[in-house]
Amino acid sequence: DIQLTQSPSFLSASVGDRVTITCRASQGISTYLAWYQQKPGKAPKLLIYTAFILQSGVPSRFSGSGSGTEFTLTISSLQPEDFATYYCQQLNTYPQTFGPGTKVEIK
Amino acid sequence: EVQLVDSGGGLVQPGGSLRLSCAASGFTFSSYAMSWVRQAPGKGLEWVSAITGGASSTYYADSVKGRFIISRDNTKNTLYLQMNSLTAEDTAVYYCAKDRSSSWYVGYFDSWGQGSLVTVSS
Repeated sequence: DIQLTQSPSFLSASVGDRVTITCRASQGISTYLAWYQQKPGKAPKLLIYTAFILQSGVPSRFSGSGSGTEFTLTISSLQPEDFATYYCQQLNTYPQTFGPGTKVEIK
Repeated sequence: EVQLVDSGGGLVQPGGSLRLSCAASGFTFSSYAMSWVRQAPGKGLEWVSAITGGASSTYYADSVKGRFIISRDNTKNTLYLQMNSLTAEDTAVYYCAKDRSSSWYVGYFDSWGQGSLVTVSS
């Protein structure tokens, strides 16, 4: 199975900060990568798919980039509602796998 | 509006069985592949199983293969997960999830149920 690692695992930031989360794959996955946001007690929400395509309804402050083995999720200006855990997911190779998550907390 | 409502979770003894359901509305259910994704308490996400829109193909994670069965009833707009031979390692919140764009299993999930807690304990 393809392993995904995320860094950092925990991030403390302030409202208005630019935040970048990195996801690395154990082997190349082209652009078959998605990002999800999950708040406590809630289901995940799709933010980005195919590495850089913004899901409908997701604010434009979220963006994704990368291909191959390294990917980034960027939040250009962190808002109060963005404090959550973020997961990457690869779909290049069966079975699909998720990263361990990055928790973004208020500084 | 797409809505997925998970149900059927509960407390079950090791070795027991449970069937989860996911009632779908707000979209043409048979046109989309569906999956189950689980999350153990305090842990990350794990894809469990998927089924194509017409139910012609099913997919399973190695951790549940041979024990879990995914199915769907497109006349009732409902997805199921039959879970057998349960162990403590199966304790998790189970989410049903809708594939974003196809009746074929791709794996981008644009809608999720609220989750159903399964606890395996004696």
